[in-house]
Amino acid sequence: GNSVTQMEGPVTLSEEAFLTINCTYTATGYPSLFWYVQYPGEGLQLLLKATKADDKGSNKGFEATYRKETTSFHLEKGSVQVSDSAVYFCALSHKYNNNDMRFGAGTRLTVKP
Amino acid sequence: GAVVSQHPSWVICKSGTSVKIECRSLDFQATTMFWYRQFPKQSLMLMATSNEGSKATYEQGVEKDKFLINHASLTLSTLTVTSAHPEDSSFYICSATGQGETQYFGPGTRLLVL
Repeated sequence: GNSVTQMEGPVTLSEEAFLTINCTYTATGYPSLFWYVQYPGEGLQLLLKATKADDKGSNKGFEATYRKETTSFHLEKGSVQVSDSAVYFCALSHKYNNNDMRFGAGTRLTVKP
Repeated sequence: GAVVSQHPSWVICKSGTSVKIECRSLDFQATTMFWYRQFPKQSLMLMATSNEGSKATYEQGVEKDKFLINHASLTLSTLTVTSAHPEDSSFYICSATGQGETQYFGPGTRLLVL
C-alpha cells in the first residue's frame, strides 16, 4: 500500500542554518505529495505540494521537488528562523484511492536564536 | 479560501458520556471529509472517510459504533464519540476536499475524558 517515510527527529538548528528533512514514499502510479506544518496546539497547515514528477513546490522559503526516480520529496529551506519551529509532516494522496492521505511520522524542528 | 473550522476546540467530559465534534468547510463545498486522530508526539491516524449523503468508510480497527460519523451536507460533518472512556482522550482533526485532491485541515479538537 501507499506509505511515507520521513526523517526522524527531533531536529535542532540555529537560526539561519540550512534545513533538510528527508521524505521518501511508496506508492503505485503517480500520487500527489505534500508537506504540512503543525504549530504547537494547532491543526495542520498545507505548506507546499507537488502533483507530478519534477514539480517543485515552494512556499515561505521552503521548497521540495517531486523526484520519481528516487521516490523522494525532501523539504529544504536555506535559512531557518525561530518562527519555523514546528512539526513537519510529509504526506501523499492518491486520487484514485478516494484521496485518502498517508502521513509520515512527523519531524519536530526546533530553531534556536 | 479553503477554510475548515472545528467546534469545539477543546472539550472535557466524564467517562460514559457522548461528545459531538463538528467540522465545517466555510467557503467551499466539501465532497469528502476525513477524520483523523493524533496521539501526543505522533502522526495522524486516519479514522474514517465520509462522502456527503453516504455512510462513512472506517479504517481497520476503528469501531464504527463508537465513533459515529454523519456527513449530512456539503459543508458539515460530525464525529460523535459515544460512551467516551479515558483512552479516547486525544486530538481529533478533520479535513475536507472540494473538487481537487488537496485536503484542508481544521484546527483540531482536543478531547479529555475524565
